[in-house]
Amino acid sequence: DTGVSQNPRHKITKRGQNVTFRCDPISEHNRLYWYRQTLGQGPEFLTYFQNEAQLEKSRLLSDRFSAERPKGSFSTLEIQRTEQGDSAMYLCASRPPSGTVAGNTIYFGEGSWLTVV
Amino acid sequence: KNQVEQSPQSLIILEGKNCTLQCNYTVSPFSNLRWYKQDTGRGPVSLTIMTFSENTKSNGRYTATLDADTKQSSLHITASQLSDSASYICVVSSMTGGSYIPTFGRGTSLIVHP
Repeated sequence: DTGVSQNPRHKITKRGQNVTFRCDPISEHNRLYWYRQTLGQGPEFLTYFQNEAQLEKSRLLSDRFSAERPKGSFSTLEIQRTEQGDSAMYLCASRPPSGTVAGNTIYFGEGSWLTVV
Repeated sequence: KNQVEQSPQSLIILEGKNCTLQCNYTVSPFSNLRWYKQDTGRGPVSLTIMTFSENTKSNGRYTATLDADTKQSSLHITASQLSDSASYICVVSSMTGGSYIPTFGRGTSLIVHP
């Protein structure tokens, strides 16, 4: 098990273009989170999946943002019509099912850096 | 509104010295509190996790404390090393509608100088 995997690790895009990030959680982790982090700030919660169901969605997630987890395994985060303010690191995290010994620990990926020019 | 406040915002210490980072929170209902270490440009890595009934937990040179009454936590780093230079983030989770939603502090940036 190699941990939470995110790709691409870096993406530079022109304003107005669409971008998609992928997250592969640790196998058998049924809970998956997306966060956004800008320099000097802590991660900000975007959305939460339990299996394939999107249970929570932050108000930070505008209509241009959409996340999916179609089969309850990997997840994608798509940003449409990117703006310069979208430049940030997008972190994915996964967590084992509740009731397990490690169920309270969230494991983070290395993040996907987005730069909108 | 659930909030997590960390202090100091940044800290510079000499190698070998000890330091203590603070975390105050207003998260309800409280589920657990974690400290993470985040190296620049990397994802956060868990250091400790504490539930309501725990008031101290150690992980090597890192010792976290929790006072659930005053809603305060601290992370003490003993005999600092250059590799301790990183951002330390306090994360408090609450149970909302059946989902655990973590609230992150902004982090304390620690620089250890030789």
